[in-house]
Amino acid sequence: QKEVEQDPGPLSVPEGAIVSLNCTYSNSAFQYFMWYRQYSRKGPELLMYTYSSGNKEDGRFTAQVDKSSKYISLFIRDSQPSDSATYLCAMLEHAGGTSYGKLTFGQGTILTVHP
Amino acid sequence: DAGVIQSPRHEVTEMGQEVTLRCKPISGHNSLFWYRQTMMRGLELLIYFNNNVPIDDSGMPEDRFSAKMPNASFSTLKIQPSEPRDSAVYFCASTSGGRLNTEAFFGQGTRLTVV
Repeated sequence: QKEVEQDPGPLSVPEGAIVSLNCTYSNSAFQYFMWYRQYSRKGPELLMYTYSSGNKEDGRFTAQVDKSSKYISLFIRDSQPSDSATYLCAMLEHAGGTSYGKLTFGQGTILTVHP
Repeated sequence: DAGVIQSPRHEVTEMGQEVTLRCKPISGHNSLFWYRQTMMRGLELLIYFNNNVPIDDSGMPEDRFSAKMPNASFSTLKIQPSEPRDSAVYFCASTSGGRLNTEAFFGQGTRLTVV
């Protein structure tokens, strides 16, 4: 079993829809939870990160972490065609020290928002 | 800063040939990661360095793969001999270290095709 599980999709939604992307994980030591966005033929870029449990909002994007269930989510409100990309969840045990920033990624969900 | 720079962007080679991928991390970053991305397996961590020293190479699939970081501004990933199943996109990423190393900055990737 992988440490981080993510449904690869693909997911296709109409413009304006609310999108929900999810990951589950098995490593209780993860404390930092991130979402990376990867456009076609580009490298992943950090979209949002959350420390420990709770919600974080940034414009149309909301990240949620439920450590008790080992489940994280990314919600996209009023989705736009420009949101079409692969979304990867990533997790980190701790920042600094011997973590060196080593991330464990989910497989990524391919999202298409059609006009 | 120009970000993480990888070269070449595309590489097509014949089975059995040696392939060398190159990476220049962001100046001042002290951790460097090599990833491989395929549709089937997603983003896999191959090896990572801290202060030019290899920390964990357990993700390197076979002895045909090797990586070096001779100085803080340059790293190579070499495959010798290459095989068709090595075809993938290879990414290099760097982090700043310390308590702010939650964000990994990725290069544009090298798309490798072994025929």
